[in-house]
Amino acid sequence: AQSVTQPDIHITVSEGASLELRCNYSYGATPYLFWYVQSPGQGLQLLLKYFSGDTLVQGIKGFEAEFKRSQSSFNLRKPSVHWSDAAEYFCAVGAPSMYSGGGADGLTFGKGTHLIIQP
Amino acid sequence: DAGVIQSPRHEVTEMGQEVTLRCKPISGHNSLFWYRQTMMRGLELLIYFNNNVPIDDSGMPEDRFSAKMPNASFSTLKIQPSEPRDSAVYFCASSQGSLNSYNEQFFGPGTRLTVL
Repeated sequence: AQSVTQPDIHITVSEGASLELRCNYSYGATPYLFWYVQSPGQGLQLLLKYFSGDTLVQGIKGFEAEFKRSQSSFNLRKPSVHWSDAAEYFCAVGAPSMYSGGGADGLTFGKGTHLIIQP
Repeated sequence: DAGVIQSPRHEVTEMGQEVTLRCKPISGHNSLFWYRQTMMRGLELLIYFNNNVPIDDSGMPEDRFSAKMPNASFSTLKIQPSEPRDSAVYFCASSQGSLNSYNEQFFGPGTRLTVL
């Protein structure tokens, strides 16, 4: 069974400082990895995804993530955070459906990291 | 595109009552997912459908929970009878996938359920 670990429950960063959110996964095959962001009272928005190819992926809002197979990690980074980045961040792993009907299997999420931005 | 639509956005009910949550996926998507979010357990997959067929309902907590997808544009999640521990935010998501590929899941705004 697949699993995702986000070791940091809360992270506080000063506005303008760099950010790295950690994510480790467990999966038996090539993982499909995602980072989602959730603002208070809102649904989840996809920041970026990794399927294959270049291990450094770029996403929206200036975020990037690097897939490291040897470390089973997919850490999210941003060089300079803005106050509007304060939110909950979720790492997730998924897989294509094994069923002939196509489609996708459900995602397994980490517990999330709550990002606080200090002025 | 209107995105994934969920209704109601908020639901407050009393223990023992039946609750029905509704979801309209993005047109053309062939996979639909129901997730539950709580402080204690985070985001959990409850059930998902491919081409309107339930594929994996192992995440459904109890027989009190049931889900249907009568057609490609509508799904319901029903709780009967409801209990206070069912209080959570329930998300619906949809995606367009195919064998050997994986497309992102688009999430609805969620339904916040409170069972008193």
